[in-house]
Amino acid sequence: AQSVTQPDIHITVSEGASLELRCNYSYGATPYLFWYVQSPGQGLQLLLKYFSGDTLVQGIKGFEAEFKRSQSSFNLRKPSVHWSDAAEYFCAVGEPGQAGTALIFGKGTTLSVSS
Amino acid sequence: DGGITQSPKYLFRKEGQNVTLSCEQNLNHDAMYWYRQDPGQGLRLIYYSQIVNDFQKGDIAEGYSVSREKKESFPLTVTSAQKNPTAFYLCASSLQGVNYGYTFGSGTRLTVV
Repeated sequence: AQSVTQPDIHITVSEGASLELRCNYSYGATPYLFWYVQSPGQGLQLLLKYFSGDTLVQGIKGFEAEFKRSQSSFNLRKPSVHWSDAAEYFCAVGEPGQAGTALIFGKGTTLSVSS
Repeated sequence: DGGITQSPKYLFRKEGQNVTLSCEQNLNHDAMYWYRQDPGQGLRLIYYSQIVNDFQKGDIAEGYSVSREKKESFPLTVTSAQKNPTAFYLCASSLQGVNYGYTFGSGTRLTVV
């Protein structure tokens, strides 16, 4: 069965510092991979997705993620964090070509930004 | 603008009552999903539907029911059989299953009083 692990429950980063949020997945082949962001009391917004090809994907708001097959990881990065990036971040995995299935989400990482 | 609308934003339910959460989308998406979110638990799948008049149970379907009579609508009923219904409920939709990622609604916070 698929699973997604986000090892860090809460991370605090200084404004202007770089950010890396970790995501590891368990799946027999290369899954579809997603990062979403959620502000308090709101729905989730898609930051970026990986299906195939170039392992470094660019997303919205200056975020990027790198797929590493050997490590079963899809870590999210940002070179310089802004206070408005404080939110909860979710990694998700989906089965390629399986229209009858749904995304599996990790438990999330809460990002706090200090001034 | 196209989007997905959940209503109400806040809902209070007395113990023993059924309550229905609304989810409507005008994105012409085929698939719709209901997730439950609890602090520290991430999103857990309740039900999903790929086409009209068809739906599948997710990981935590007990105590919930759904219908998909129209492509645009996927209401969720939280029944009295759900022992711990207080949570944040998120509806999502997508084209052709998971491939394109989801569009989420803004959620409904249900509280049992």
